[in-house]
Amino acid sequence: AQSVTQPDIHITVSEGASLELRCNYSYGATPYLFWYVQSPGQGLQLLLKYFSGDTLVQGIKGFEAEFKRSQSSFNLRKPSVHWSDAAEYFCADSGAGSYQLTFGKGTKLSVIP
Amino acid sequence: ETGVTQSPTHLIKTRGQQVTLRCSSQSGHNTVSWYQQALGQGPQFIFQYYREEENGRGNFPPRFSGLQFPNYSSELNVNALELDDSALYLCASSLAGDSTDTQYFGPGTRLTVL
Repeated sequence: AQSVTQPDIHITVSEGASLELRCNYSYGATPYLFWYVQSPGQGLQLLLKYFSGDTLVQGIKGFEAEFKRSQSSFNLRKPSVHWSDAAEYFCADSGAGSYQLTFGKGTKLSVIP
Repeated sequence: ETGVTQSPTHLIKTRGQQVTLRCSSQSGHNTVSWYQQALGQGPQFIFQYYREEENGRGNFPPRFSGLQFPNYSSELNVNALELDDSALYLCASSLAGDSTDTQYFGPGTRLTVL
């Protein structure tokens, strides 16, 4: 069965600092990988996705993620964090041809002004 | 372009009751998936509907059921509510045949079971 691991439950960064959120997936063949963001009490907003091609993908709000098959990772990065980025971030995997998204448990990001 | 909408926003029920949650898919989408997100957890897949039929199901009991209508909107029904059913219920729509199966989520319905 697919599984997604987000090792960090909570991360705190200063505004303007760089950010990296970690994600590891277990599905071996052809992962379809996604990062979503959830503000308190809200639904999920898609930040970016990877399914093939260039392993560095750009998303909205200045986020990017890099797919590394050798490490089974799909880490999310942002060079300079803004206070409005404070939210919970979820990594998800569907796998090629799958209808089901498998989510990690999420990483809560706090931003210090 | 209209995004995914869900109703109601919040709902309070008592144990043993039944509840119906509603979802309107994003315009142009024909597939709807439902997820349950317990407090502090990631969303868990309940089931997906395509062409008005269940297209796949996660590890949820039969008292969780659904419908999809010809306009691609959907309902999630939960019978015999239990305290553990308290959660945020998320609906996501997508387009079958889209090479990446990208799902777009609504704002959710917060269900509290007392």
